[in-house]
Amino acid sequence: GNSVTQMEGPVTLSEEAFLTINCTYTATGYPSLFWYVQYPGEGLQLLLKATKADDKGSNKGFEATYRKETTSFHLEKGSVQVSDSAVYFCALSVITGGGNKLTFGTGTQLKVEL
Amino acid sequence: EPEVTQTPSHQVTQMGQEVILRCVPISNHLYFYWYRQILGQKVEFLVSFYNNEISEKSEIFDDQFSVERPDGSNFTLKIRSTKLEDSAMYFCASSLPLGTSGQETQYFGPGTRLLVL
Repeated sequence: GNSVTQMEGPVTLSEEAFLTINCTYTATGYPSLFWYVQYPGEGLQLLLKATKADDKGSNKGFEATYRKETTSFHLEKGSVQVSDSAVYFCALSVITGGGNKLTFGTGTQLKVEL
Repeated sequence: EPEVTQTPSHQVTQMGQEVILRCVPISNHLYFYWYRQILGQKVEFLVSFYNNEISEKSEIFDDQFSVERPDGSNFTLKIRSTKLEDSAMYFCASSLPLGTSGQETQYFGPGTRLLVL
C-alpha cells in the first residue's frame, strides 16, 4: 500500500532560520507528491506539488524536489517567518480508475519565534 | 479564484443523531472526496465519488456513512447514527476529471468541525 513518513514535530525555529522537514514515501505506481499547509484554525491549503521525478515544486519561498531514487520529498525554506507557523503535511496520490485519493503523513508542526 | 465551500463550519450533536455535512465543490470538477482529521491526528481518506457513485472508500467508511450529490452543485456526507469517535474535522475536496492537466491536485474546503456529545 501507499504510505508517507514525515519527521516528528514540533519544530521550533527562530525567524530567518533555515527549514527542512523530511518526508519519505512508499507507493505502488508512480505517485504525485504534495505539501499541504494548515494554519491555526483553518483548512488545508496546497503549498506545492511535483508530479514526476526530479521536478521541483516551489511556492512562497518553500521548495521540495521529487527524488525517486531516495523516495523523498523534503520541504525546505531558506528563511522562515513567524507567519510560516503552521502544520505541514506531506502527501501522495496515485491516480487509479477510482480517482486519486491522497495519503497523508502525520503532519509536522512548525513554530517560528522572533 | 474558485474554491470549495463547506457548511456548517461547526456542528454539535448528540450521540445517535444523524448529521449531514454539506460541500459545494469547484464547478468544473468531477471527482469529489471526503476526508477526516481527528484532533491532533493525520488526515484520513474516507471516500471518493465520481459519476454519481462511490469510486473508492476506506475501511472507516462503514454502513453508517453515505454520500450523495443531490443536485448539480452540492455534495453531502451523512452520518446516520453518530458515535463519540466520529468527532473530527471533516474536509471535502474536489479535483478535475482524469486526463486533464492538473488532475492530480485536490482542492480542499475549510472543513466542518463535528463534535458528538
